[in-house]
Amino acid sequence: NAGVTQTPKFQVLKTGQSMTLQCAQDMNHEYMSWYRQDPGMGLRLIHYSVGAGITDQGEVPNGYNVSRSTTEDFPLRLLSAAPSQTSVYFCASSYRLDSNTEAFFGQGTRLTVV
Amino acid sequence: AQSVTQLGSHVSVSEGALVLLRCNYSSSVPPYLFWYVQYPNQGLQLLLKYTTGATLVKGINGFEAEFKKSETSFHLTKPSAHMSDAAEYFCAVSEGSNYQLIWGAGTKLIIKP
Repeated sequence: NAGVTQTPKFQVLKTGQSMTLQCAQDMNHEYMSWYRQDPGMGLRLIHYSVGAGITDQGEVPNGYNVSRSTTEDFPLRLLSAAPSQTSVYFCASSYRLDSNTEAFFGQGTRLTVV
Repeated sequence: AQSVTQLGSHVSVSEGALVLLRCNYSSSVPPYLFWYVQYPNQGLQLLLKYTTGATLVKGINGFEAEFKKSETSFHLTKPSAHMSDAAEYFCAVSEGSNYQLIWGAGTKLIIKP
């Protein structure tokens, strides 16, 4: 049972480069989301999806794009990396869009932009 | 707007001592409340949650939390700390009409031998 799988685990980018962070879940969850975690700030929601073909912005969406072509996959694209995007990124999924449903997290991607 | 405050970015306790991690929230309606734990270099996992019913909630690894509406608090406790409890703990809240989780800044629990 893999759960939520994120790749890569670590990445170093130069300013201006683009890249895609991969996220896949094998639990047939409807709801998927991307967070960034910065010291002293908890988790902040970047984008989320309530099902294949449906995405929406969270609290801090600027500089990031997402798509959801399948239930399983929810990649996060950095269009032109900036040092301010240095962070740890977490993908999460949950069974349904419900306030009391547990979220399952991937192990994170530690991104450094130089 | 909802907010979650975790008092203390770092809490240090001796092995065997009581663990108390504080969480206060602001919400105009009865919220759903969560504690998640993050072990080093890992993702977050659910420790416990309060939705409705009994205000004392028991979670994994001997942790429990009590929902106190009058104090808008959801503090996390464990009677006796173990070295394996060293981790970062996050409190989160959501309201019935808004499924998005609002997160506290986290508290890093340090266990002294």
